[in-house]
Amino acid sequence: EDKVVQSPLSLVVHEGDTVTLNCSYEVTNFRSLLWYKQEKKAPTFLFMLTSSGIEKKSGRLSSILDKKELFSILNITATQTGDSAIYLCAVWHGGSQGNLIFGKGTKLSVKP
Amino acid sequence: DSGVTQTPKHLITATGQRVTLRCSPRSGDLSVYWYQQSLDQGLQFLIQYYNGEERAKGNILERFSAQQFPDLHSELNLSSLELGDSALYFCASSGGLGAVPNEQFFGPGTRLTVL
Repeated sequence: EDKVVQSPLSLVVHEGDTVTLNCSYEVTNFRSLLWYKQEKKAPTFLFMLTSSGIEKKSGRLSSILDKKELFSILNITATQTGDSAIYLCAVWHGGSQGNLIFGKGTKLSVKP
Repeated sequence: DSGVTQTPKHLITATGQRVTLRCSPRSGDLSVYWYQQSLDQGLQFLIQYYNGEERAKGNILERFSAQQFPDLHSELNLSSLELGDSALYFCASSGGLGAVPNEQFFGPGTRLTVL
């Protein structure tokens, strides 16, 4: 069965800490992996990863994909209270008709 | 503001009824995606349309259907509604070519309550 598993489910850190969020997957016909941030509203797209070993970076956030070990990590350095959110990982897979499977998310709380 | 609009914002209806949710993508975006988010199931992908054609399908129930019109707006039709269909329904759009989702922009969502 195709699945996407995120860990940890929740995480509490203090401002300035660095965090690493994990996403592992088992799918047929992998095409890409996506990260989203969701606060109290609609998700915000962060990254799309298709190739192993190439880091994508945006400010304090970065992400990398390992297609051999079937996982991705999302790093956030120098965390701020505004980083508090649920971080969702999703994998796009399939043949001529694709499908997108989401993990349950990691709830990150950053305390001042 | 993502540029994606959804109407209505809230919808309250009864079991057995049928509703239509509407989405207008960002100007120029050809792909529209529909998602359902409920407390117990999390965010789930329902269906994607690209330039009027269905391109990808998730766990969309047979009671649900969608379409994308020539002006690229999309509608999600939910029929024979059940209590469990109560959820937040998001639409997202993306540009580029092909079916693989690149950067997606989400609308504010429609909150559906089935009583």
